[in-house]
Amino acid sequence: DAMVIQNPRYQVTQFGKPVTLSCSQTLNHNVMYWYQQKSSQAPKLLFHYYDKDFNNEADTPDNFQSRRPNTSFCFLDIRSPGLGDAAMYLCATSRDLDTQYFGPGTRLTVL
Amino acid sequence: GENVEQHPSTLSVQEGDSAVIKCTYSDSASNYFPWYKQELGKRPQLIIDIRSNVGEKKDQRIAVTLNKTAKHFSLHITETQPEDSAVYFCAASKGALNTGFQKLVFGTGTRLLVSP
Repeated sequence: DAMVIQNPRYQVTQFGKPVTLSCSQTLNHNVMYWYQQKSSQAPKLLFHYYDKDFNNEADTPDNFQSRRPNTSFCFLDIRSPGLGDAAMYLCATSRDLDTQYFGPGTRLTVL
Repeated sequence: GENVEQHPSTLSVQEGDSAVIKCTYSDSASNYFPWYKQELGKRPQLIIDIRSNVGEKKDQRIAVTLNKTAKHFSLHITETQPEDSAVYFCAASKGALNTGFQKLVFGTGTRLLVSP
């Protein structure tokens, strides 16, 4: 049973062309996270939603935005992707302070 | 802020041997320490976690130990199998009830290779 779903699994975009990645969950978790993971590196937290409250990490570029229209869905918008934004983007969810469960990720390629 | 160091970066063992991965953290307020296994191209999967009120936790072939005084924690895998081959990440967090979420700070990862 899928718990954290990410679409698409692979996304190719052009330099500067906006792109949106989506995440949905069937766990009814109140916290949703977006991580960026570059090759051979650890996941890096970009931001998270605690319920409807958005919390940005201090070093997350302005180019990255997020929306959470309801409990189940969360979107990552990259307004003007650069070559350095090519990475795996991981969505995770948790109930408050409990375990974080990761989705399968979306691999973003920027041409 | 929190800093997590992880060693070794690469670990090669023979099937059946034990493997130990060590992490140290800097923030004494950290209270939650998960370990994730990530196979190539796949999601990180939680394999075991420990909270600061516990010194050791076991789950079949996997165990985690925590030394709060020294600020280090370790993952122990016994009777390793080829399917244990993956990258393992430790993480530390100081989730608080008033913030309601865990900010995981990850180690740099250990690539474990188990040879048949």
